[in-house]
Amino acid sequence: KAGVTQTPRYLIKTRGQQVTLSCSPISGHRSVSWYQQTPGQGLQFLFEYFSETQRNKGNFPGRFSGRQFSNSRSEMNVSTLELGDSALYLCASSLATGGYDYTFGSGTRLTVV
Amino acid sequence: AQKVTQAQTEISVVEKEDVTLDCVYETRDTTYYLFWYKQPPSGELVFLIRRNSFDEQNEISGRYSWNFQKSTSSFNFTITASQVVDSAVYFCALSGPYSGGGADGLTFGKGTHLIIQP
Repeated sequence: KAGVTQTPRYLIKTRGQQVTLSCSPISGHRSVSWYQQTPGQGLQFLFEYFSETQRNKGNFPGRFSGRQFSNSRSEMNVSTLELGDSALYLCASSLATGGYDYTFGSGTRLTVV
Repeated sequence: AQKVTQAQTEISVVEKEDVTLDCVYETRDTTYYLFWYKQPPSGELVFLIRRNSFDEQNEISGRYSWNFQKSTSSFNFTITASQVVDSAVYFCALSGPYSGGGADGLTFGKGTHLIIQP
């Protein structure tokens, strides 16, 4: 079966711009979670979406937002990009909310210059 | 607050050696879950094992084994007869109890970069 698909794989943006990342979960998975990975902070939970609703959010500023569509695909958006937003953004899908039977995608590598 | 500590930043061994990756955790939950993930250079996190707080049995899967000790809040991972393909970054992670109210997310350690030299 197809895995979790994240697009694009690589992205270069300029400080101040905004960016949208996409995640297509495994078929049948209704929960999508997003994580940010940086060398300094490591892996940090951004948010989880289930049934088109944000169920929980990590400790990130409001510039980080997301949404989920009726087909469970999810997008995350970062506005007013800062150099510190450069990171690998990983998406994970699971069958239900609140569980951690994650399957991770390969991530989107965002570089802010 | 939850915390996961992987004190070993990088380990380098020669192929066929055994290697143990350490993981120490902190949590106030009585029900919790511990995980190990592998991250190869391609970037995706590959699930290796999940263990709940009530199951302290050690687990063995091929060359991999895990030692969960609640008394010392540790969940260590051993690779026996290491191979070059085992080279990757390994993460230990912790979650609270599963909840229909939504996931708080996994708390990850900083990872251990394992290098297996031929």
